[in-house]
Amino acid sequence: DVKVTQSSRYLVKRTGEKVFLECVQDMDHENMFWYRQDPGLGLRLIYFSYDVKMKEKGDIPEGYSVSREKKERFSLILESASTNQTSMYLCASSFGHRGTSGTYEQYFGPGTRLTVT
Amino acid sequence: AQSVTQLDSQVPVFEEAPVELRCNYSSSVSVYLFWYVQYPNQGLQLLLKYLSGSTLVKGINGFEAEFNKSQTSFHLRKPSVHISDTAEYFCAVRPNAGGTSYGKLTFGQGTILTVHP
Repeated sequence: DVKVTQSSRYLVKRTGEKVFLECVQDMDHENMFWYRQDPGLGLRLIYFSYDVKMKEKGDIPEGYSVSREKKERFSLILESASTNQTSMYLCASSFGHRGTSGTYEQYFGPGTRLTVT
Repeated sequence: AQSVTQLDSQVPVFEEAPVELRCNYSSSVSVYLFWYVQYPNQGLQLLLKYLSGSTLVKGINGFEAEFNKSQTSFHLRKPSVHISDTAEYFCAVRPNAGGTSYGKLTFGQGTILTVHP
């Protein structure tokens, strides 16, 4: 069974804090993704990574950065948390290299609900 | 670029009634199509996907969807719903060409299905 785990289910942070969200997958997937989910907006892609140390911006990268030092682990970093980053954060992973990823499904973690006060 | 519109934000229905959740998409290239389900307090799980071939796709839990290329739609249906189908449902698309997509998905806004006894 594919498993994607996220370090916390719930997190409360103060404005201005540096926040780390961790994601680990156990299926040797090449691709990993970070999304945020907000009511009425669906899932929006923040960043993704297609290999170790490789990353590309998604649709809403402002205020976020990522790190992928090992294939199984993909971290999302909020350099200085703000209240408008209060949201549900979902990590996903999938097989596939450039040009071959289309048919593979993404597997999702349970999500981290982050509240910034 | 792709976009996905889920035409209903909420769909209430009684148990054992049929249901249809509507999804329309826009894309300048051919796409793969997916439906994901999110049960309360969980991550997303794949229901079904259309890659090629028969336009009627069957998924898990008795759901099916029909791809209509001329109407750029991918509506999800179930002939008889259960209380346990209460969840949020997301339609998503991905280009089926190669290039730099790395399997990125574009999601719709989500439809909350509530099944009443």
